[in-house]
Amino acid sequence: AQSVSQHNHHVILSEAASLELGCNYSYGGTVNLFWYVQYPGQHLQLLLKYFSGDPLVKGIKGFEAEFIKSKFSFNLRKPSVQWSDTAEYFCAVYGNNRLAFGKGNQVVVIP
Amino acid sequence: DAGVTQSPTHLIKTRGQHVTLRCSPISGHKSVSWYQQVLGQGPQFIFQYYEKEERGRGNFPDRFSARQFPNYSSELNVNALLLGDSALYLCASSLAHNEKLFFGSGTQLSVL
Repeated sequence: AQSVSQHNHHVILSEAASLELGCNYSYGGTVNLFWYVQYPGQHLQLLLKYFSGDPLVKGIKGFEAEFIKSKFSFNLRKPSVQWSDTAEYFCAVYGNNRLAFGKGNQVVVIP
Repeated sequence: DAGVTQSPTHLIKTRGQHVTLRCSPISGHKSVSWYQQVLGQGPQFIFQYYEKEERGRGNFPDRFSARQFPNYSSELNVNALLLGDSALYLCASSLAHNEKLFFGSGTQLSVL
């Protein structure tokens, strides 16, 4: 069964700071990777996804993620965060007809 | 266009009771999945249905069951509720069984 590890569950940073959230996965099949975001009071939304091709994936709102197969990682980055990026971020891997999510990163951006 | 809709939004039950949660997928989506999200954790997979057939089941007891109807809407049923079943139950739909998932806002279930 597939699994995902996310570290640094709580992240607090100031506006304009850079953000990087780590994600490591475990799955023996073809890898489909996702980052979802949950803004306060809202439902889960897709930030970006990797199925194949260019390992550097660009998503919405200036986010990007890099798939490094040798490290089983899919880290999320944003060069300069805004207050509106305050949210919970979930990494997920798809396999066996299901998404396996990590525990999430609670990110708080201070104005 | 309407997104994934779930009902009810909130529900309070007592231990031992039964609950039915409902989900309407995005129009044209044939796959529906159910996830349980406990506070402070990521969503945990419960079921996936595609074309009205169960295609996947997570590590949940037999008290949990689901079905998908001809119009692709779905119900999640939980029998003999336990305190530990208190959680946000999320429904997600997709065009096919391995496509991008679109999530609803969830049903917040509290078991007292």
